[in-house]
Amino acid sequence: DTAVSQTPKYLVTQMGNDKSIKCEQNLGHDTMYWYKQDSKKFLKIMFSYNNKELIINETVPNRFSPKSPDKAHLNLHINSLELGDSAVYFCASSPPGVSQYFGPGTRLLVL
Amino acid sequence: EDQVTQSPEALRLQEGESSSLNCSYTVSGLRGLFWYRQDPGKGPEFLFTLYSAGEEKEKERLKATLTKKESFLHITAPKPEDSATYLCAVGTSYDKVIFGPGTSLSVIP
Repeated sequence: DTAVSQTPKYLVTQMGNDKSIKCEQNLGHDTMYWYKQDSKKFLKIMFSYNNKELIINETVPNRFSPKSPDKAHLNLHINSLELGDSAVYFCASSPPGVSQYFGPGTRLLVL
Repeated sequence: EDQVTQSPEALRLQEGESSSLNCSYTVSGLRGLFWYRQDPGKGPEFLFTLYSAGEEKEKERLKATLTKKESFLHITAPKPEDSATYLCAVGTSYDKVIFGPGTSLSVIP
């Protein structure tokens, strides 16, 4: 029974396209996150939502827009994709103040 | 500025050769230090949370310790299946989690 799931697992697209990545967690956690892991494997937080409300918004281009329709879902929409957006995007969830549980990642390649 | 560094960047051990990984941090208001393991092509997998200096946690061949400025992940008699990247992260007083760059561990049979 998957705890944090993401779709799609792989995403190959052209520059300038708009794409979305979906995330769902069945752990009952209040907080969900989006992270970007670049080619050097550095994990950097992008957004954090608590009970559908945005609480962390790092310095991320406004082409990236998160949406949380309910506590169990946090989607990431990316407009006008650029080459530098190529990375692995991880969704995670956590109860308050405790460690995060990560999804399997979405590997995005922008050509 | 909140910061997490890890050393070494890469570590190669013979099977059975114990060693330690280091995580150093500067953060305003530590709300927890986390260790994760990441296998290639997968998401980070939670290992430990440490909250205060002097705390220790153990799991199989791994033991994590915490001081006021750093944490160590000790690996005792490692096996090839312990090969992975080990990530350290700190939770800050403003609900952010900052990750270190990781240590890539290879255990050779």
